[in-house]
Amino acid sequence: GAGVSQSPRYKVAKRGQDVALRCDPISGHVSLFWYQQALGQGPEFLTYFQNEAQLDKSGLPSDRFFAERPEGSVSTLKIQRTQQEDSAVYLCASSFSLSYNEQFFGPGTRLTVL
Amino acid sequence: DQQVKQNSPSLSVQEGRISILNCDYTNSMFDYFLWYKKYPAEGPTFLISISSIKDKNEDGRFTVFLNKSAKHLSLHIVPSQPGDSAVYFCAARGAQKLVFGQGTRLTINP
Repeated sequence: GAGVSQSPRYKVAKRGQDVALRCDPISGHVSLFWYQQALGQGPEFLTYFQNEAQLDKSGLPSDRFFAERPEGSVSTLKIQRTQQEDSAVYLCASSFSLSYNEQFFGPGTRLTVL
Repeated sequence: DQQVKQNSPSLSVQEGRISILNCDYTNSMFDYFLWYKKYPAEGPTFLISISSIKDKNEDGRFTVFLNKSAKHLSLHIVPSQPGDSAVYFCAARGAQKLVFGQGTRLTINP
């Protein structure tokens, strides 16, 4: 497919479990972004990468959140010891480059922590 | 603090009429503004954008207006069609990342 893909689409976790969310960006896109969208709100920035370098992680809510993109393509967002307030849709977006204005979003992963 | 605000949670418009969605921002350092459309269970889809150095950008039925002095932008859709029913987010770019408003749910009535 030509778009951004994310897996799993839905994830239910018990409080305290670790989860890993995967993002496959559009082929050739250098920049990759993670956003968190709570119910009824707009997406909020978490972190972004240029190739494998994580340039900004100022939006990560706590040190339980960790993102990586080791080979500059696929990215994984990991949440350790999940809590109920982590329940949200996690959106991944990619862009041709940092100077390219439009970001293209995947369908998101809906995380529910019980 | 909410740097990008969409004060209308919902808007209902008759098919064929004009839909106007509004957005206000506070940070004068934003250099680019975008509108995204979102259907349930899908990610936001890019719709139209405008640079901070322009005041209008048009693409088919969609026009975005930017008023920098008022820190206000609007999206006009004319004529509105049933397929336009969705949640619309405005976003502003600053330091490479996007800051989103809360969204406006647009419903087009037949």
